[in-house]
Amino acid sequence: SQTIHQWPATLVQPVGSPLSLECTVEGTSNPNLYWYRQAAGRGLQLLFYSVGIGQISSEVPQNLSASRPQDRQFILSSKKLLLSDSGFYLCAWNVGRVALHFGNGTRLTVT
Amino acid sequence: TQLLEQSPQFLSIQEGENLTVYCNSSSVFSSLQWYRQEPGEGPVLLVTVVTGGEVKKLKRLTFQFGDARKDSSLHITAAQPGDTGLYLCAGTRGSQGNLIFGKGTKLSVKP
Repeated sequence: SQTIHQWPATLVQPVGSPLSLECTVEGTSNPNLYWYRQAAGRGLQLLFYSVGIGQISSEVPQNLSASRPQDRQFILSSKKLLLSDSGFYLCAWNVGRVALHFGNGTRLTVT
Repeated sequence: TQLLEQSPQFLSIQEGENLTVYCNSSSVFSSLQWYRQEPGEGPVLLVTVVTGGEVKKLKRLTFQFGDARKDSSLHITAAQPGDTGLYLCAGTRGSQGNLIFGKGTKLSVKP
């Protein structure tokens, strides 16, 4: 069966520090991979998606970047965090443009 | 502008009551999905509807896709505390589009 792992679960980082969140999927090949951010009262905002290794599409200009070094690995990064980067970050996957399978998220607090 | 409007935003009811939450848009969607999200976790898919007028039942939950495929509703019969959570609708426009999420309805069922 397919599983998705996302870590860390919680993270507290100072403003200006770097960020690296990792997501891996098991049990499927060539999945579409997604990073979402969920802020209170604002629903799920799509940040990046990838349909294959090295292919990244950005939905909103921002302080973050994403990379897909392997088929089932998706990384969200920042060189210098801002206070506004705080939120709940969710990784997800699907095959074809159908239902998304989400990880359990990372709660990021930038202080 | 929010493409998918969910209402109500918050709903607090007693165990045993019935409720309906709505997901509305002025745009046509090729498919629509409902997810439930519990605090600190990622959303979990409940159902996908693809045909205008389609009705799907999942135990005490009834999902309906509008005839024009612009709206959907979720009806819960005899709500239980375990139904508590954030209910998100998400739609796809065309076969290649990414999912567009509403902001969700936060449901609290008190025992």
